[in-house]
Amino acid sequence: GAVVSQHPSWVICKSGTSVKIECRSLDFQATTMFWYRQFPKQSLMLMATSNEGSKATYEQGVEKDKFLINHASLTLSTLTVTSAHPEDSSFYICSAPLKLESYNEQFFGPGTRLTVL
Amino acid sequence: GDSVTQMEGPVTLSEEAFLTINCTYTATGYPSLFWYVQYPGEGLQLLLKATKADDKGSNKGFEATYRKETTSFHLEKGSVQVSDSAVYFCALRNFGNEKLTFGTGTRLTIIP
Repeated sequence: GAVVSQHPSWVICKSGTSVKIECRSLDFQATTMFWYRQFPKQSLMLMATSNEGSKATYEQGVEKDKFLINHASLTLSTLTVTSAHPEDSSFYICSAPLKLESYNEQFFGPGTRLTVL
Repeated sequence: GDSVTQMEGPVTLSEEAFLTINCTYTATGYPSLFWYVQYPGEGLQLLLKATKADDKGSNKGFEATYRKETTSFHLEKGSVQVSDSAVYFCALRNFGNEKLTFGTGTRLTIIP
């Protein structure tokens, strides 16, 4: 099946620094990728849709200047948390759709745990 | 807006027990419904899906039926195994939209 990877799997950083998280589709191309955030014991919340070759589309309430998304190629999207603060600590997950017959199935990365001290 | 309400966990069962994880939804239009499973250290994987009312999705012994009258999509398995221990997410996607709306997830632990 299709594989989506994320790097790093976990990261600890100091408050005020920026952190970049990569999402790669390893064996298929994706013009669109999705970024989610998951708090403990809560559901995955869609943050933004990453679009190859154009600007990302952010969900209501998500600061686009805080969470910079770049879809550099058909297999790579990056999420940069700028000037991170402890409240940005969370589990970040990406997904990419792949068309299977008449249906687009979402393939998810394993997630990146961010801890901001 | 769209929402998914899922049975809170954690759920602990003995091997070979019957499993039900409840899921209800609120949505405009005619959504497709999904169950995803997340094993420790891995990404979410599609377990099963149903795209219209009365459809039954099934995979690996798990089943869920799309009930429009009760806006539900409960996950069931007749005899669980230790290897079924994971977190299960119910989700919906509205027609013509790639976005998924997730429930809170239910952690399932099966003890031998």
